[in-house]
Amino acid sequence: AQTVTQSQPEMSVQEAETVTLSCTYDTSESDYYLFWYKQPPSRQMILVIRQEAYKQQNATENRFSVNFQKAAKSFSLKISDSQLGDAAMYFCAYRSANTDKLIFGTGTRLQVFP
Amino acid sequence: DSGVTQTPKHLITATGQRVTLRCSPRSGDLSVYWYQQSLDQGLQFLIQYYNGEERAKGNILERFSAQQFPDLHSELNLSSLELGDSALYFCASSVRGEQFFGPGTRLTVL
Repeated sequence: AQTVTQSQPEMSVQEAETVTLSCTYDTSESDYYLFWYKQPPSRQMILVIRQEAYKQQNATENRFSVNFQKAAKSFSLKISDSQLGDAAMYFCAYRSANTDKLIFGTGTRLQVFP
Repeated sequence: DSGVTQTPKHLITATGQRVTLRCSPRSGDLSVYWYQQSLDQGLQFLIQYYNGEERAKGNILERFSAQQFPDLHSELNLSSLELGDSALYFCASSVRGEQFFGPGTRLTVL
């Protein structure tokens, strides 16, 4: 069975600085997708970024980028120029290419200090 | 705003009762997913429907059931409620593999 592990329950960063959130996963499949979701205090789940396992190039969305290391089964999220609005829970998620269900990690709470 | 709507936003009920949560997917999305977010279990996939048919099942209790109607909205029925069923229930719909979540229904069982 696939699992997703987020080993950092909490992280903090100063405004305008850069922070990296870690995620590792376990799977025997070769074709899958990885996601980062943000959950602010409003509790809405917001898709931040997506990575296809077959793509070697790391995904980027504005200030958000990932470091995808397929062999190491690692998928970290880098937030550059952190803003107060980035404060939220961040969930890493895995989806097999054969199913649609998302498997989530336990989340990392990110605090942003002015 | 993801385009996925869920009603009600909050629901407070007593143990042993039955409730129905409703979800309308984004226009054009045929798949609907239900997830449960609780303090002890985290975010868990419950069930998926695609164009009215059950497509995949996760850790859904027998006391829970769902369906998707011809207009593609979906309902999650929770019966014989227990204190441990208190959670945030999300519905999501998808296009091209990306799932977009509704605002959730907060269920409190007293």
